[in-house]
Amino acid sequence: EVQLVESGGGLVQPGGSLRLSCAASGFTFSSYSMNWVRQAPGKGLEWVSYISSSSSTIYYADSVKGRFTISRDNAKNSLYLQMNSLRAEDTAVYYCARDYYYDSSGYLEDWGQGTLVTVSS
Amino acid sequence: DIQLTQSPSFLSASVGDRVTITCRASQGISSYLAWYQQKPGKAPKLLIYAASTLQSGVPSRFSGSGSGTEFTLTISSLQPEDFATYYCQQLNSYPRGTFGGGTKVEIK
Repeated sequence: EVQLVESGGGLVQPGGSLRLSCAASGFTFSSYSMNWVRQAPGKGLEWVSYISSSSSTIYYADSVKGRFTISRDNAKNSLYLQMNSLRAEDTAVYYCARDYYYDSSGYLEDWGQGTLVTVSS
Repeated sequence: DIQLTQSPSFLSASVGDRVTITCRASQGISSYLAWYQQKPGKAPKLLIYAASTLQSGVPSRFSGSGSGTEFTLTISSLQPEDFATYYCQQLNSYPRGTFGGGTKVEIK
């Protein structure tokens, strides 16, 4: 059974930093691209970042580019999101999601339960 | 950037009703579209990908159609467990996949 478990969320002041982790199990982590997706309280979903299986390809949403860094450790079956210069608008539940690659595109097949990040003074 | 507009944003329906949700893209996205279901306090769940392919384990009352700029998600006979919020996502600009604003399906 695929399991994705996020951790590292919490309360942080504006301008602060936080590192999220996603522990993966139940599949060959090193074979899959991964994503971070967030959801502000009471709002819709926003794709945040993507990393390929070998870390060779990385993308960010414009809203986080230059502030967030995605990474992975295939030996530890773990995905990370380093978040710097946090703003109030970054307040959200952050989900990690496994990519299902099909017909030249990828779909978010499996999701973790999410971790809440609150940016407030 | 490709924008997705879902309609309606809110839908009130009864058990057994046929429900249709529309997702319109600001430009053509071929069939690179997915539908997700999200229940309160839970992570989204992939229902349909490539516009019309049912994800494994998803009941056959769910179906998707469309290509280009207009897509629909249909629930043929609404069940109590289907009351949730539904999101479309375009993957034409993969991996930058933007989501629609969501459609909340509530009990009439």
